[in-house]
Amino acid sequence: AQSVAQPEDQVNVAEGNPLTVKCTYSVSGNPYLFWYVQYPNRGLQFLLKYITGDNLVKGSYGFEAEFNKSQTSFHLKKPSALVSDSALYFCAVRDYGGSYIPTFGRGTSLIVHP
Amino acid sequence: DAGITQSPRYKITETGRQVTLMCHQTWSHSYMFWYRQDLGHGLRLIYYSAAADITDKGEVPDGYVVSRSKTENFPLTLESATRSQTSVYFCASTEALSGTGELFFGEGSRLTVL
Repeated sequence: AQSVAQPEDQVNVAEGNPLTVKCTYSVSGNPYLFWYVQYPNRGLQFLLKYITGDNLVKGSYGFEAEFNKSQTSFHLKKPSALVSDSALYFCAVRDYGGSYIPTFGRGTSLIVHP
Repeated sequence: DAGITQSPRYKITETGRQVTLMCHQTWSHSYMFWYRQDLGHGLRLIYYSAAADITDKGEVPDGYVVSRSKTENFPLTLESATRSQTSVYFCASTEALSGTGELFFGEGSRLTVL
């Protein structure tokens, strides 16, 4: 079985400050991990993924995520937040070698204040 | 333009009526998915399809029917709409054979059942 937890429903950060959106996961084997972003009235857009290799993954719009196997975490980060980063962020996981059906977290609303 | 398109984007219907939401993708991706998004529930998988003529139930399939006679199309039908099916519906696709499983989403179909 696979599962994802996003422990924060909402994250507030001031523009220019670093941001972190948290995600922890559980899989029986090795994980494929994903972050998606959803802007209002839009579909989800793929941001970045961890498959294997370097634990720090860089993605679109200046976002990055750090894979930590011992803590089973995959937190999304950005060094300097923009107001335009305000959106809903979803973490997802699927088991390498397993089903192609990912499991999504419930989403975290990021609000960046001017 | 290549991509994944959903229609209609907005639909209002009445309880008991049949409604079909359309999904079309131009990538020839093998996997296609239908999700519903509701406040407090995140994304919930309704049905998915691994290939043409192969479909399977997700987490919340009751009251929905799908078909996939062609690889590029994956319509979702509500046979007798209920108010609890008021939601935003997202179609997604992914390539299983050559990809690492990130999903590509449509823009969503907002359905209101009166």
